[in-house]
This record gives sequence, structure tokens and C-alpha cells, in this order.
Amino acid sequence: DVKVTQSSRYLVKRTGEKVFLECVQDMDHENMFWYRQDPGLGLRPIYFSYDVKMKEKGDIPEGYSVSREKKERFSLILESASTNQTSMYLCASSLRSGGAYEQYFGPGTRLTVT
Amino acid sequence: AQKVTQAQTEISVVEKEDVTLDCVYETRDTTYYLFWYKQPPSGELVFLIRRNSFDEQNEISGRYSWNFQKSTSSFNFTITASQVVDSAVYFCALSEAPGGSEKLVFGKGTKLTVNP
Repeated sequence: DVKVTQSSRYLVKRTGEKVFLECVQDMDHENMFWYRQDPGLGLRPIYFSYDVKMKEKGDIPEGYSVSREKKERFSLILESASTNQTSMYLCASSLRSGGAYEQYFGPGTRLTVT
Repeated sequence: AQKVTQAQTEISVVEKEDVTLDCVYETRDTTYYLFWYKQPPSGELVFLIRRNSFDEQNEISGRYSWNFQKSTSSFNFTITASQVVDSAVYFCALSEAPGGSEKLVFGKGTKLTVNP
């Protein structure tokens, strides 16, 4: 079974803090994604990566950065957390091999910025 | 731009009723992929089905079935004889053509409540 794990299920941070959200997958997938889920807005892509050290912006990259130093790990960084970044963050991974394969999601990190 | 619309925000049914969740999509790509995901109260998204744009055959998996119609840009999901365990938020999603970002564009989801 594909397993995507995220470092924390719940996280509370203060405004202005630098926040790291970690995601690890164990299926040797090339693609990894970060999404943000908010009520009434669905899931919106923040960043994605299709190879080590490669990254592309999604729909809402402002205030975020990412790091992918190893194939299995994709980190989302909030450079200076703000209250409007309070949200559920979901990581996903998928194969990249001539077709858009299904993405497997982690359990999510519910981040609260106070 | 790609877009997925799930017009039904919430649906409530009684157990054993059939229910159809609607999904309409927009894309300029000729090759694309459609997905359905289930998000139960626990929060983790569960993959249900993937369909590419060249395969318009309907699919049935147990009590679940999917109807893909390119003519109306729709990919609807039907649950037959619904059960309480089907209560969840269901998302329809569209992926760009392979070789691109392959990120998913999600609809806003339909919350299904199945009452005993």
C-alpha cells in the first residue's frame, strides 16, 4: 500500500513564526504536491514537484516555499506565518509515467496560526 | 483554464436510496484525466476512480458507478442502495495532460449525508 505521512496532525503556531510541514512517501513516486483545503473553497494547489530539487508554483504560492532534497520528502515552508494561513494542508504523491496517475494523500496537517 | 463544478453542495438521503453526485468540467486539452475522491469524517482523501478522456465506457464497482459523457463534459457518480458509511465529502477532480504539472483541479465537493 502507498503510504504518505505528514509530520504533524495538528499544529499551532504564532504569527511571524517560520513553519515547516514535512511530507514523506514510500512508493518512489516522482510527483509530490501540496494542497490547501478551506471550507467552501475545496482543495487548491500550492506547489508541486516532479523531481528532486524541481518545483513549480500552483494556484496560491504566495507566502509559501518548498524544498525537495530527496525523492521521498517534500517540505512546505511558511516563511512568516499569518492568520490567513490557518488551514488544512494536504500532501500527495503520484507516479509520473506517461499518464496522470491517481494521487495518494496523507492524513493532513491542521495548522492554526494565532 | 480548467475548471470543475460540483453544483450540489450538500445532499441528504435515507439509507438504501440511490444518489447521484454531479460533476461538470471544463478543459481545452484533448487528453485529460478525471478522478473522484472520497473524504470521510476522518479527513484523509481516498481515491475512488481515474478515467482518461479517451475512455467513455461507464464503470461499475460494487454499489458505485460512474457515467462519463464527453458531449456534456460530465462525469457523474452514482451510489446505489446508499449506506451510512457512504457519508462523506466527495470531490471530483481534473488533471492536465500528462507531461505537464499533472496537478489536480478539484471541485468544491459535495457533502453526502446518509441517514439511517
